[in-house]
Amino acid sequence: AQSVTQLGSHVSVSEGALVLLRCNYSSSVPPYLFWYVQYPNQGLQLLLKYTSAATLVKGINGFEAEFKKSETSFHLTKPSAHMSDAAEYFCAVWGAGGTSYGKLTFGQGTILTVHP
Amino acid sequence: GAVVSQHPSWVICKSGTSVKIECRSLDFQATTMFWYRQFPKQSLMLMATSNEGSKATYEQGVEKDKFLINHASLTLSTLTVTSAHPEDSSFYICSASLFYNSPLHFGNGTRLTVT
Repeated sequence: AQSVTQLGSHVSVSEGALVLLRCNYSSSVPPYLFWYVQYPNQGLQLLLKYTSAATLVKGINGFEAEFKKSETSFHLTKPSAHMSDAAEYFCAVWGAGGTSYGKLTFGQGTILTVHP
Repeated sequence: GAVVSQHPSWVICKSGTSVKIECRSLDFQATTMFWYRQFPKQSLMLMATSNEGSKATYEQGVEKDKFLINHASLTLSTLTVTSAHPEDSSFYICSASLFYNSPLHFGNGTRLTVT
């Protein structure tokens, strides 16, 4: 079984400020973790992924996330927010090696608002 | 990079009619594709796994006879919403991966509105 909890359905930051989107997961097997971004009425775009290699993962658009097994967390950060970062972000987990290949379990999503 | 194309991007239909949504992997072959459904202001829920050349695997609670999935080739999966009702109105998104263990690539979704 696997699950994802995203703390905070809405996060608001000023342009240039630090972005921190929280994600905690639960998985009975070693997890693969993903962050996706979704713009209105569009599909999901992969930001970054953790697949049991380096615990600090760098993604596109300046985002990065750190896998912390002891905290079962995979928080997404960006040092300086840009207006174009405003979107909804989804954290997702897949139990690597399990029978549920490709069956991602998504968090509830966090809407990021960036103020000028 | 891997591209997944979904068509149409939006559709409006009358209650009782059927609607077909196509999902294509444009530059790779996908033996498995996945169909998700997203209700307004909610997360994505997996509906079914589409397997090329065999029957789809549906998640618990998803009506097989209502959401017909066909995966006739390595680059095309279709989802047909049969006898659509207003409660079927939603955002449907397909996805596929290049190979086992690789991240899913998502289509741009289809906004279905049933009147």
